[in-house]
Amino acid sequence: DAGVTQSPTHLIKTRGQQVTLRCSPKSGHDTVSWYQQALGQGPQFIFQYYEEEERQRGNFPDRFSGHQFPNYSSELNVNALLLGDSALYLCASSLPRGTSGRAGTDTQYFGPGTRLTVL
Amino acid sequence: QKEVEQNSGPLSVPEGAIASLNCTYSDRGSQSFFWYRQYSGKSPELIMFIYSNGDKEDGRFTAQLNKASQYVSLLIRDSQPSDSATYLCAVNGLGGGFKTIFGAGTRLFVKA
Repeated sequence: DAGVTQSPTHLIKTRGQQVTLRCSPKSGHDTVSWYQQALGQGPQFIFQYYEEEERQRGNFPDRFSGHQFPNYSSELNVNALLLGDSALYLCASSLPRGTSGRAGTDTQYFGPGTRLTVL
Repeated sequence: QKEVEQNSGPLSVPEGAIASLNCTYSDRGSQSFFWYRQYSGKSPELIMFIYSNGDKEDGRFTAQLNKASQYVSLLIRDSQPSDSATYLCAVNGLGGGFKTIFGAGTRLFVKA
């Protein structure tokens, strides 16, 4: 049973560039969430995708955008990179809310992350 | 007030002792609560989840939830040096939404 996979593992970009990160969810999962984790901080919610739509968004600017494909995989795009975008980007997958009959029980499983460095 | 708060630590306990990690959250409507372990340079790994008041045990780990006090904790019995990591508390269902909010994590050191 394949877990959540992410690519690439590491990425180095310069300010102003654009980046695309990729995620494949755990088998049987169809909901994908993206997080940004700065050093010494907890993961910060960027957005969640379900049925190819952005279902909820955190406090991130429009430079952060995403996409979900029919096979449930997802991409995170960041435009006009800033130095402050340097972080570990985490993808997490889960079953759809309410699958177990209880709202909020969408346990998330994380991929290994993509370490983005902006110079 | 932060939505999910944890003591940043570090919390240092001797091998074999009980480690107690605490977390408070701001939204009474929160529905699901999670503990993740994160080793340095790695991604978070789920330890357990809880959504009903009371205790939930899984091996050496016990999660405790008190919704009235908006408090969730994790106890690690017979702590081992391999338990040394950052422990993240996460809360889902805030405001009736889908996002999961994480605390900043508590660093745990287990001394051999």
